[in-house]
Amino acid sequence: DAGITQSPRYKITETGRQVTLMCHQTWSHSYMFWYRQDLGHGLRLIYYSAAADITDKGEVPDGYVVSRSKTENFPLTLESATRSQTSVYFCAGLGGINYGYTFGSGTRLTVV
Amino acid sequence: KQEVTQIPAALSVPEGENLVLNCSFTDSAIYNLQWFRQDPGKGLTSLLLIQSSQREQTSGRLNASLDKSSGRSTLYIAASQPGDSATYLCAVRPGETSGSRLTFGEGTQLTVNP
Repeated sequence: DAGITQSPRYKITETGRQVTLMCHQTWSHSYMFWYRQDLGHGLRLIYYSAAADITDKGEVPDGYVVSRSKTENFPLTLESATRSQTSVYFCAGLGGINYGYTFGSGTRLTVV
Repeated sequence: KQEVTQIPAALSVPEGENLVLNCSFTDSAIYNLQWFRQDPGKGLTSLLLIQSSQREQTSGRLNASLDKSSGRSTLYIAASQPGDSATYLCAVRPGETSGSRLTFGEGTQLTVNP
């Protein structure tokens, strides 16, 4: 059981389109996070959530929207995709016995 | 603002060598520090988690140490193998009063040559 499941694994979309990346957890993590990973910038926090219906901005939130109506799901939506949002997106959860982070396998998004 | 630096950025060693990866952070008020491994095109796999009250953690050939007062952590890999080739990332979690957001270093890309 991976704990954090992301879908899709790969996505190609056109500039201006809305796209939603899904994140589902099975370990009852309280905190959940969305990061993007880019060469030269490392991992940067987009948004995070402390619990259902509680979300907050991270380092690079512009152009993104999140929601968390249920504890187990934390989707990330790009409202109008731009080429600069081409990246690998990782969802993560915090919780569990050792209070460490668990990451999903990532979604590679290409905006053309 | 917390900053995390990892040195070296890249490292290439022959198989069997013992090696040390370094991580430094600017704000010593951390809750814990976590070391991850990332293979190309994959997600992050947690290797070791050190709480702020601990000095080190061990898992198999891996040993991570933490010196909170000096803002340093090291990851020691014993008897390196080609399968250890990956990027290693350290991340610090701030003290509880500051929230639970991780700050990552940029990673050390390790290549172990057969």
